[in-house]
Amino acid sequence: GAVVSQHPSRVICKSGTSVKIECRSLDFQATTMFWYRQFPKQSLMLMATSNEGSKATYEQGVEKDKFLINHASLTLSTLTVTSAHPEDSSFYICSARVDSPNYGYTFGSGTRLTVV
Amino acid sequence: GQQVMQIPQYQHVQEGEDFTTYCNSSTTLSNIQWYKQRPGGHPVFLIQLVKSGEVKKQKRLTFQFGEAKKNSSLHITATQTTDVGTYFCAGPAGNQFYFGTGTSLTVIP
Repeated sequence: GAVVSQHPSRVICKSGTSVKIECRSLDFQATTMFWYRQFPKQSLMLMATSNEGSKATYEQGVEKDKFLINHASLTLSTLTVTSAHPEDSSFYICSARVDSPNYGYTFGSGTRLTVV
Repeated sequence: GQQVMQIPQYQHVQEGEDFTTYCNSSTTLSNIQWYKQRPGGHPVFLIQLVKSGEVKKQKRLTFQFGEAKKNSSLHITATQTTDVGTYFCAGPAGNQFYFGTGTSLTVIP
């Protein structure tokens, strides 16, 4: 149980285009989802916290107009990278907290974004 | 802001040797969690510690939460090649959840 499905796993896009990344909780309801960005050989940096039915909370330095987050339902959160540039190339990963001490926070499989 | 540091950043060990990573938070944590990320993979939950001074074991892995709830450690006894990966500690701060800087473990056969 406690699976988060993230799509796509890899995407290559041209500069200036937008990319949408989806995260779905498959067997539980996620009122809160966290979006992270990870550069090679670095830790996961929290970008924003999405809350179902309300606006996302962005970390300092993260442009909310560039990284649009929507959490329209208890099982789906999306991150849209708008007007992507090569410096946005990174590994993006979502996670949700499962209300059980056996699971902690469960993660999607991540999206490798390459902007060319 | 919230900072969670881990040392060492990298560790190479011979298979069979022990390994320890240390995690230090700038603030008191209500709980601390440990994750393992294999190369190319996503973080996988290992364990959660909640109580001050708590020690938990999972086979060859021993996790400890400091008395002040600001530090933690993960110790692996007799490492195996399957232990390769990056180990992250993580903890909540308000409604957010922050990861430590991670320790990358390489096990030399």
